[in-house]
Amino acid sequence: NAGVTQTPKFQVLKTGQSMTLQCAQDMNHEYMSWYRQDPGMGLRLIHYSVGAGITDQGEVPNGYNVSRSTTEDFPLRLLSAAPSQTSVYFCASRPSGGSGNTIYFGEGSWLTVV
Amino acid sequence: AQSVAQPEDQVNVAEGNPLTVKCTYSVSGNPYLFWYVQYPNRGLQFLLKYITGDNLVKGSYGFEAEFNKSQTSFHLKKPSALVSDSALYFCAVRDTILTGGGNKLTFGTGTQLKVEL
Repeated sequence: NAGVTQTPKFQVLKTGQSMTLQCAQDMNHEYMSWYRQDPGMGLRLIHYSVGAGITDQGEVPNGYNVSRSTTEDFPLRLLSAAPSQTSVYFCASRPSGGSGNTIYFGEGSWLTVV
Repeated sequence: AQSVAQPEDQVNVAEGNPLTVKCTYSVSGNPYLFWYVQYPNRGLQFLLKYITGDNLVKGSYGFEAEFNKSQTSFHLKKPSALVSDSALYFCAVRDTILTGGGNKLTFGTGTQLKVEL
């Protein structure tokens, strides 16, 4: 049972470059989301999706795009990377059916923008 | 709006002693409360949650948490700490009154637990 899988685990980008962080889950979860983790700030929600074809913005969406063409995949795109996007990124998923359901996280993607 | 506070950036405990990691919350309705643990260079792992029912919730690795509605707290506890418990702990809350869909958990800023011999 793979759970939530993120790639790559580590990436260094130059300012202005674009890239996509991949996220896949094999639990047939309807809800998926992306968070970023910064020191002293906890986890902040970037974008989320309640099902295939449906996405919405979280707290800190600027500079990021997402799409949800399948239930399994939820990629996060950085269109023009900036040093302020240096962070650790976590993809997460949970089943539908109740807000008390547990969220499951991927192992994280460490991104450095120079 | 929902919010979570973890008032301690770091908690130091001697191995074998009890530990407490504090968490307070604010929601409009009733809360769903969660604790997660993060080991270095790893993702967040689920420890336990409170949805309804007994105020004392038992979770993984011998951890438990007590929901106190009057004090709006959900402190994480363990009777006897281990060095291997050293990690970053996050409290999170989701309001039962939803203003939109999605995984809208609000996380605290995290508490670093250090257990020493």
